[in-house]
Amino acid sequence: DTEVTQTPKHLVMGMTNKKSLKCEQHMGHRAMYWYKQKAKKPPELMFVYSYEKLSINESVPSRFSPECPNSSLLNLHLHALQPEDSALYLCASSQDPQGSYEQYFGPGTRLTVT
Amino acid sequence: AQSVAQPEDQVNVAEGNPLTVKCTYSVSGNPYLFWYVQYPNRGLQFLLKYITGDNLVKGSYGFEAEFNKSQTSFHLKKPSALVSDSALYFCAVRVHDVLSMDFGNEKLTFGTGTRLTIIP
Repeated sequence: DTEVTQTPKHLVMGMTNKKSLKCEQHMGHRAMYWYKQKAKKPPELMFVYSYEKLSINESVPSRFSPECPNSSLLNLHLHALQPEDSALYLCASSQDPQGSYEQYFGPGTRLTVT
Repeated sequence: AQSVAQPEDQVNVAEGNPLTVKCTYSVSGNPYLFWYVQYPNRGLQFLLKYITGDNLVKGSYGFEAEFNKSQTSFHLKKPSALVSDSALYFCAVRVHDVLSMDFGNEKLTFGTGTRLTIIP
């Protein structure tokens, strides 16, 4: 099983709402990632969790808050977002954070901030 | 620092013809190179990677890529294009440095993407 699942598929939220994106993998991978992708652009790295610890935060605004409850789950908590935060949010995982391991991506959550 | 360039935003190929999607990279160490494909409203799918050894790498769906160290390139190729190959393709690089404790090595740097359209 090489699947990364993400829920929800679509999310519309107002600027005062609080919502969460969820990501799950059962491949035993020890690295998990959040990316933001705008239309026709490459994914932009937001956060990296290595062995359930946050190892990289790419200067992401505090209105995005990641959480890794266990080795299979990754959440992204959203609060007071701006319209420019509307994008496709991709979760990925890899066997190890370093080395030659490829990342496996989920289908993404399409987020619209109104 | 590491970077990837995909010089063509758009590539059009007739069905049945060979296709090439270009990628060049710049790294300060030894590269791990990857190709991913993205279909509309979907996540990225891994196609193939170069680690070391044979410069010609074979991957999913009949794709292959050739690593050229002197030209710092990793072009994606397929002998005969299918309409279903139409998608957005991303090249990516990560630096290989077993001695480094720099968590920057965890980062995968993507190119800007090339939209491949196969014309029936």
